[in-house]
Amino acid sequence: AQSVTQLDSQVPVFEEAPVELRCNYSSSVSVYLFWYVQYPNQGLQLLLKYLSGSTLVKGINGFEAEFNKSQTSFHLRKPSVHISDTAEYFCAVSDPYNQGGKLIFGQGTELSVKP
Amino acid sequence: DTAVSQTPKYLVTQMGNDKSIKCEQNLGHDTMYWYKQDSKKFLKIMFSYNNKELIINETVPNRFSPKSPDKAHLNLHINSLELGDSAVYFCASSQKRVNTEAFFGQGTRLTVV
Repeated sequence: AQSVTQLDSQVPVFEEAPVELRCNYSSSVSVYLFWYVQYPNQGLQLLLKYLSGSTLVKGINGFEAEFNKSQTSFHLRKPSVHISDTAEYFCAVSDPYNQGGKLIFGQGTELSVKP
Repeated sequence: DTAVSQTPKYLVTQMGNDKSIKCEQNLGHDTMYWYKQDSKKFLKIMFSYNNKELIINETVPNRFSPKSPDKAHLNLHINSLELGDSAVYFCASSQKRVNTEAFFGQGTRLTVV
């Protein structure tokens, strides 16, 4: 069975500071990895994904993440955050061999950017 | 044009009632999903359909019955609503059953009183 753990439930940070949101996963098979963002009262928007290839992936809004197979991690980073980055962030995995396509989500990390 | 659209956005109803949530995607995707987000914001899959065929039923009570009249639509009907059904329900779609990118609707906030 697969699982995802987001190590921080809340991350407060000042505007223009760097941020890292941590994600670890557990799986006995290869996985696809995703980060989604949810703004208040909205749906989920894909920030970035790792399917294969380069372990450093770049996404929208200046975010990037690095896939580390040995540490089973997929941490999300941004060098300088803005107030508008305040949102809930979800790490998720899917099994490329499971034809159902379901995403298994972590518990979410609330990023709060303060002026 | 909204890629994945759900109606209604908000739904308030009494215990014991039956209600439906509708979902449509205009992306030409083969696979559609229903997810439930609880009060702690935890997201869990409920159902997955591929070309109108049920692929995943993730131990959801029988009171929940999805229906896919065509591959662009996936509706969710809930019978005998309970307080614990209060949540935000998200519809999503992906191009194929191997999920390389899922697109989510805006969600339906269901409140059972």
